[in-house]
Amino acid sequence: DTEVTQTPKHLVMGMTNKKSLKCEQHMGHRAMYWYKQKAKKPPELMFVYSYEKLSINESVPSRFSPECPNSSLLNLHLHALQPEDSALYLCASSQEGTGDEQYFGPGTRLTVT
Amino acid sequence: AQSVTQPDIHITVSEGASLELRCNYSYGATPYLFWYVQSPGQGLQLLLKYFSGDTLVQGIKGFEAEFKRSQSSFNLRKPSVHWSDAAEYFCAVGDPYAGGTSYGKLTFGQGTILTVHP
Repeated sequence: DTEVTQTPKHLVMGMTNKKSLKCEQHMGHRAMYWYKQKAKKPPELMFVYSYEKLSINESVPSRFSPECPNSSLLNLHLHALQPEDSALYLCASSQEGTGDEQYFGPGTRLTVT
Repeated sequence: AQSVTQPDIHITVSEGASLELRCNYSYGATPYLFWYVQSPGQGLQLLLKYFSGDTLVQGIKGFEAEFKRSQSSFNLRKPSVHWSDAAEYFCAVGDPYAGGTSYGKLTFGQGTILTVHP
């Protein structure tokens, strides 16, 4: 099973809302990632968790707050977002974090109004 | 730092025609190399990967890619394109020696959009 699931598929939120994106994998992978993808652009790395510890934060604004409750789950908490944060948010996982292949979820399409 | 160039932003082919998508990378040693495909509004699906060994790698959906060290290239090919292959294709490199701030990073090219005419 090489599936990464993400919920919700679509999310519309106002700039004062608090919401969360969820990601789950059951492949026993020890590295998990959040990416942001704008239209017609490649994914941009936001965060990397390795063995449930945050190992990379690509200078992401604090209105995005990641959380890794256990080795299978990854959350992204959203608060006070801006319209320019509207994008496709992708979760991925890999066996380790040393540049091996990453498996992506279907993404959450976020619209900030 | 590693980088990836996909020279073709948009390619159009007829159904049944052959396809080659170009990818050039910059890296000091042999990187991990990947091709991903993305349909509109969807996640990325791994087509194939190269880590070491045979330089011609086979992937899913009838795709193959050839690693050429001398040209720093990893071009994706398919002998006969199907309408369902229309999508965006991303080449990516990973650093097998990653440490510190490179840990876990894939570097993606800008993508090539493939249109298939019937």
